[in-house]
Amino acid sequence: RKEVEQDPGPFNVPEGATVAFNCTYSNSASQSFFWYRQDCRKEPKLLMSVYSSGNEDGRFTAQLNRASQYISLLIRDSKLSDSATYLCVVNIKSNFGNEKLTFGTGTRLTIIP
Amino acid sequence: DADVTQTPRNRITKTGKRIMLECSQTKGHDRMYWYRQDPGLGLRLIYYSFDVKDINKGEISDGYSVSRQAQAKFSLSLESAIPNQTALYFCATGLAGGHEQFFGPGTRLTVL
Repeated sequence: RKEVEQDPGPFNVPEGATVAFNCTYSNSASQSFFWYRQDCRKEPKLLMSVYSSGNEDGRFTAQLNRASQYISLLIRDSKLSDSATYLCVVNIKSNFGNEKLTFGTGTRLTIIP
Repeated sequence: DADVTQTPRNRITKTGKRIMLECSQTKGHDRMYWYRQDPGLGLRLIYYSFDVKDINKGEISDGYSVSRQAQAKFSLSLESAIPNQTALYFCATGLAGGHEQFFGPGTRLTVL
């Protein structure tokens, strides 16, 4: 089983619609959670961190459910510029104290005019 | 100017050749990472370094080596390139404590 699993998509969504992505992680020792955005042929960039209480940044809302080991990202009023691949990322701390980020394979989103 | 730079940006080479990919950063971060990205497999960690001279293997280190001689530089070497090392390679930097990682623009490597 992959450590971080996402629906690869593609999601083709009309402009102005609301779209939601889900992600599950397998390691209950995971400590912090993120959504990264990657444009075609570009580097990944942090979109937002995900907190247990849920957090919102403009049109974007992230939720974490530790009991179900589940992370979500909601995009409201989608724009053409939201077209990208969205990576679910989990930070796991090992028994040796090392931390590493584990990336999901990404969900590809295309906003249609 | 970009905070994390990678050279070269594109490279085509032949099987058996030795290749070095360079990464430099001006962010002052102690931690640096090398990833490769393949379609359908996502980003996979090759090596990482928490400080100068500190080297740690990631999940796919076989066939690769790294060098961290200075805080700002982290180089990745393929001693004898093979076609299945064809991929997009990213360098990243970060801080301790599970914070954000900052990625370079990537190096597209093709091994023929």
